[in-house]
Amino acid sequence: GENVEQHPSTLSVQEGDSAVIKCTYSDSASNYFPWYKQELGKRPQLIIDIRSNVGEKKDQRIAVTLNKTAKHFSLHITETQPEDSAVYFCAARRGGADGLTFGKGTHLIIQP
Amino acid sequence: SQTIHQWPATLVQPVGSPLSLECTVEGTSNPNLYWYRQAAGRGLQLLFYSVGIGQISSEVPQNLSASRPQDRQFILSSKKLLLSDSGFYLCAWSVGTGGSPLHFGNGTRLTVT
Repeated sequence: GENVEQHPSTLSVQEGDSAVIKCTYSDSASNYFPWYKQELGKRPQLIIDIRSNVGEKKDQRIAVTLNKTAKHFSLHITETQPEDSAVYFCAARRGGADGLTFGKGTHLIIQP
Repeated sequence: SQTIHQWPATLVQPVGSPLSLECTVEGTSNPNLYWYRQAAGRGLQLLFYSVGIGQISSEVPQNLSASRPQDRQFILSSKKLLLSDSGFYLCAWSVGTGGSPLHFGNGTRLTVT
């Protein structure tokens, strides 16, 4: 089955700086890669996603890049703000109705 | 618009007691439905998914079971809870196949004592 590795487990950045979270996946058949943000005690919420026919996608301060050859995708957050503090999860999914396989999460801490 | 309801929000149960968690989706037909578990400070583990009424796929063998008695209803059950069953249980839905996101319910925080 699919295996998703996520790094780092904790990331502390100064407010206004950029944050980068990286993930790798194992199953070359995976073609959908979402990112979720989870605040303490709440449900994960989708923030951005990318499909395998696209190399990069951007939504305001958030961007995701995908390298299918290397089986690697990354989340980039620019101009970080205190409300960006949360746990971020990457995930991968094959075709069909299979569930998402998640990475173990990155605790992003924005230092004022 | 689509909404997902999950209850209860919090549950404290003794070891050996039964469990029933319910999830319903509104505003969409024939959704794919999922149960995930999140242990404290950990990632999300897929437990079960269903593509239609009566169709259940199990990802992790354990003392939990799932059922889908109606198109938009998904139930997670156990006959006898273990301490290790404690966690945050999340129901989710998606539509279609392949590149569609999962949308999560608010979750049930289960503590087995």
